[in-house]
Amino acid sequence: GQQLNQSPQSMFIQEGEDVSMNCTSSSIFNTWLWYKQDPGEGPVLLIALYKAGELTSNGRLTAQFGITRKDSFLNISASIPSDVGIYFCAGGEAGNTGKLIFGQGTTLQVKP
Amino acid sequence: DADVTQTPRNRITKTGKRIMLECSQTKGHDRMYWYRQDPGLGLRLIYYSFDVKDINKGEISDGYSVSRQAQAKFSLSLESAIPNQTALYFCAAGTAFGNQPQHFGDGTRLSIL
Repeated sequence: GQQLNQSPQSMFIQEGEDVSMNCTSSSIFNTWLWYKQDPGEGPVLLIALYKAGELTSNGRLTAQFGITRKDSFLNISASIPSDVGIYFCAGGEAGNTGKLIFGQGTTLQVKP
Repeated sequence: DADVTQTPRNRITKTGKRIMLECSQTKGHDRMYWYRQDPGLGLRLIYYSFDVKDINKGEISDGYSVSRQAQAKFSLSLESAIPNQTALYFCAAGTAFGNQPQHFGDGTRLSIL
């Protein structure tokens, strides 16, 4: 089946640094979503992207829908301790099947 | 997101037992999903439903069954639990329009001894 490759798997950074993570696939997706999961909780939607080339911001977070529709990145600027968690990308299958394919997750740790 | 509620939040049980995990949502979404999360593997789709009585297999449906008797409720069953089904399970709900975001419950941590 379709797969997403999310990288890096984990990051350990200093507070105030910028962070970048990405997802790539051999398949085309119609939607790219970025979620964050805090310990003991379910994933929460951060940013949704619906159009190739789209660049969207949510506070210190910026995400882009790759022009080939096969990749997306998420940037976090000026990281703070509460950014700690697992970040997941998810691609919405072409053909609007209603199914999402998830990346393996990027675990972010921020040192104060 | 309190719109999707899962019960129980934690469960420890023995091999061979039947387990049911419950999920309910308050937003009237048509579509509901069950995922399993294992470290390093992300979220994998077990079953999904687009309407009452509509059931579709996901990526890893073997050993699981589901029931969608009402729009707001979607339950996941393990008929005879085995240790490699130990995982974090998430329910999600979403609208019927294309690939719109899904909204997740807070998960059920299931341990099978």
